[in-house]
Amino acid sequence: NAGVTQTPKFRILKIGQSMTLQCTQDMNHNYMYWYRQDPGMGLKLIYYSVGAGITDKGEVPNGYNVSRSTTEDFPLRLELAAPSQTSVYFCASRPGGQGTYEQYFGPGTRLTVT
Amino acid sequence: GIQVEQSPPDLILQEGANSTLRCNFSDSVNNLQWFHQNPWGQLINLFYIPSGTKQNGRLSATTVATERYSLLYISSSQTTDSGVYFCAGSYNTDKLIFGTGTRLQVFP
Repeated sequence: NAGVTQTPKFRILKIGQSMTLQCTQDMNHNYMYWYRQDPGMGLKLIYYSVGAGITDKGEVPNGYNVSRSTTEDFPLRLELAAPSQTSVYFCASRPGGQGTYEQYFGPGTRLTVT
Repeated sequence: GIQVEQSPPDLILQEGANSTLRCNFSDSVNNLQWFHQNPWGQLINLFYIPSGTKQNGRLSATTVATERYSLLYISSSQTTDSGVYFCAGSYNTDKLIFGTGTRLQVFP
């Protein structure tokens, strides 16, 4: 299994541009998450999904959109990029169900908005 | 919302030393996890521990839910233990709130 994969690894955007961060997991996990990590800080939850077709907002959803059309993929869309969205973005997944709370993380995408 | 405080913010150890990291929560949590982020940025889940004690090799964790804190013990530290340790918690949701982490540096 490749686990959780994220593309791209790095990206520089100009203010006002849009992009999609890709996240794919091959573990048949129901739950998927998007976090952002600012320098020297912990992670903050942007959006999460408990299964295909179901998404919900996290702590910092403004400026982002998500969709979950398949179990494997959970893309994060940035519209009208702003410097405040400069961060490292992590995707994670977990199986779901009782006793399966451990989250598996992708390697991250480092995004700079200038 | 829940506030998460971690201490100490920084820790420098020589190989072989033991350490204790602490995590305090402002409110009750029933989903509490510890994570390690290595110097290259990769995140790994260490423990899911809403209460009680768990051990995994040289690492162990104890959560006292009634007093809203958790401790992570690292024994006989190695240079590969370096990185940032995060705790995170939530109550009846998947929306984990993370602390700002303890940065550990282990020197040979």
